[in-house]
Amino acid sequence: DQQVKQNSPSLSVQEGRISILNCDYTNSMFDYFLWYKKYPAEGPTFLISISSIKDKNEDGRFTVFLNKSAKHLSLHIVPSQPGDSAVYFCAATPVQRGGSTLGRLYFGRGTQLTVWP
Amino acid sequence: ETGVTQTPRHLVMGMTNKKSLKCEQHLGHNAMYWYKQSAKKPLELMFVYNFKEQTENNSVPSRFSPECPNSSHLFLHLHTLQPEDSALYLCASSQDLRLAGAEQFFGPGTRLTVL
Repeated sequence: DQQVKQNSPSLSVQEGRISILNCDYTNSMFDYFLWYKKYPAEGPTFLISISSIKDKNEDGRFTVFLNKSAKHLSLHIVPSQPGDSAVYFCAATPVQRGGSTLGRLYFGRGTQLTVWP
Repeated sequence: ETGVTQTPRHLVMGMTNKKSLKCEQHLGHNAMYWYKQSAKKPLELMFVYNFKEQTENNSVPSRFSPECPNSSHLFLHLHTLQPEDSALYLCASSQDLRLAGAEQFFGPGTRLTVL
């Protein structure tokens, strides 16, 4: 059973507008969350992360929001640019005592974002 | 070379063939991973190595055999695969499993087709 779900396989947004990508998870042991971006013929690249002790993390045009009670996180991109067109993966991991994740990232299926001019 | 490299980028093999996938990371990391991405499925973790020692085998069939001779290189040896093993195989690395933070750096993947 999938523990990380991205229910929207695709999202289309006009350049300059906000893109909101959503992710839900089921495992209450997850306490570190990441977003990756993937262009065709390339591997995923890390974008932004958030620890469960926070509810928001911002990096330039990218902001991730975490709602632990709802087991939901979202990635906001504003303003959206055509170069943001890619597949976005949400990932989650439980953090062990001492801070290690043991490398166990659980990924969603991804959302294809298309930003049109 | 920079980052994480994988060779070959594309591989077509028959079910009776033996082949190997190679991954090399130039980031000074100590943890390396193999993932599988099948069509319309999420990335699935297969194996994890930390300082050359395997720390995770995610119930992977024995027809997939990983090898990690040093912290910079990771191989996936393939033998008697099935057509359903056709997928994108991604290698990744991270600094050290013992450290906080989970950022993994991915290679471009090997697109494997089993006939």
